[in-house]
Amino acid sequence: GEDVEQSLFLSVREGDSSVINCTYTDSSSTYLYWYKQEPGAGLQLLTYIFSNMDMKQDQRLTVLLNKKDKHLSLRIADTQTGDSAIYFCAEKIRSASKIIFGSGTRLSIRP
Amino acid sequence: EAGVVQSPRYKIIEKKQPVAFWCNPISGHNTLYWYLQNLGQGPELLIRYENEEAVDDSQLPKDRFSAERLKGVDSTLKIQPAELGDSAVYLCASSSSGTGSYNEQFFGPGTRLTVL
Repeated sequence: GEDVEQSLFLSVREGDSSVINCTYTDSSSTYLYWYKQEPGAGLQLLTYIFSNMDMKQDQRLTVLLNKKDKHLSLRIADTQTGDSAIYFCAEKIRSASKIIFGSGTRLSIRP
Repeated sequence: EAGVVQSPRYKIIEKKQPVAFWCNPISGHNTLYWYLQNLGQGPELLIRYENEEAVDDSQLPKDRFSAERLKGVDSTLKIQPAELGDSAVYLCASSSSGTGSYNEQFFGPGTRLTVL
């Protein structure tokens, strides 16, 4: 079946790098996504990666994809207090316009 | 450009009462989604519309949930009767089109439903 798994919590010091990890099960995924959700708000797409890529960099964000291990990670460089949020990993299933979300990783920033 | 609009933002009802949520997607977006988000979980798809047509409603509990998108623009999700376990956030999202694209979905702020 389709499943996306993430650790629930991550705490980092302000200015350090944050690395959020995700594993997925569907080998036919076409796109993989990272969404950010702030309190009381909907989800906002941060970045995505096509399944034939292994890395994508966008300013402070770096996405790494290991398709063999079905592992996706999001690295946030120089983490700031505004990065505090819940981060959702998601995969797009090839057969449909359907996206499966993980349970989210709550990122908290220590001063 | 206005984002996805949802109303109400919060709703508190007693069990067995009906409730309805409304969503207005981004202008020009053909695809509309309703998601259920339980506390501490990611969104789970309830129904997806392509224009007026519900193309994936396999996860919609049809005994009590219904949805419509009559003119292919805004949409309503209804629960009748509501149960305690329906307490959650109901998210609406929209996207421009296409199963071949990366298909960015734009989310509304959600309606937080509490059933007492």
